[in-house]
Amino acid sequence: GESVGLHLPTLSVQEGDNSIINCAYSNSASDYFIWYKQESGKGPQFIIDIRSNMDKRQGQRVTVLLNKTVKHLSLQIAATQPGDSAVYFCAETLGAQKLVFGQGTRLTINP
Amino acid sequence: KAGVTQTPRYLIKTRGQQVTLSCSPISGHRSVSWYQQTPGQGLQFLFEYFSETQRNKGNFPGRFSGRQFSNSRSEMNVSTLELGDSALYLCASSLAGAGDTQYFGPGTRLTVL
Repeated sequence: GESVGLHLPTLSVQEGDNSIINCAYSNSASDYFIWYKQESGKGPQFIIDIRSNMDKRQGQRVTVLLNKTVKHLSLQIAATQPGDSAVYFCAETLGAQKLVFGQGTRLTINP
Repeated sequence: KAGVTQTPRYLIKTRGQQVTLSCSPISGHRSVSWYQQTPGQGLQFLFEYFSETQRNKGNFPGRFSGRQFSNSRSEMNVSTLELGDSALYLCASSLAGAGDTQYFGPGTRLTVL
């Protein structure tokens, strides 16, 4: 079925530490995965994406890992900063015409 | 390049009324998708338009409808508003659909009293 879920609804990390946000998906046919960041009062902002023919992709301070065997996606944020505080959503495409979003994880940075 | 714009940003309506929301995609993007975001249900897909045609639709009642114009701008309409329609309505545009990166607008916050 269509299901993209997150293991933890909230995550609290110390400033400067690395953050890892996890996501499980259920449709093995999904071929495109995206991470979005949503700050209060704003729409989701694209962070990084990965296609199913890859298992890792790196951006600026962010890395996405895809494990198709266990249908798991993770977002790693290096040296977390106060500006990283937000809700993070993973999403997958089904049929290349819509995104299915997870419920989101709220990331809080402790000074 | 300007981002996705949505108007109005905030709207207050009463039950039974109807509402029309507008979305202007990024220049050159032909696909526009609409999503409803609520605390309880998260982000849920409403529908997607490409070249003025609805290509996909989510599980929402027929009170929710949309259209896309030749310049790719899109509108969505909700008729006979219910309290449960209170939500943030988000529009996202992409070059050709969900297989491309979707960029979101700031949303329209609809409150139904």
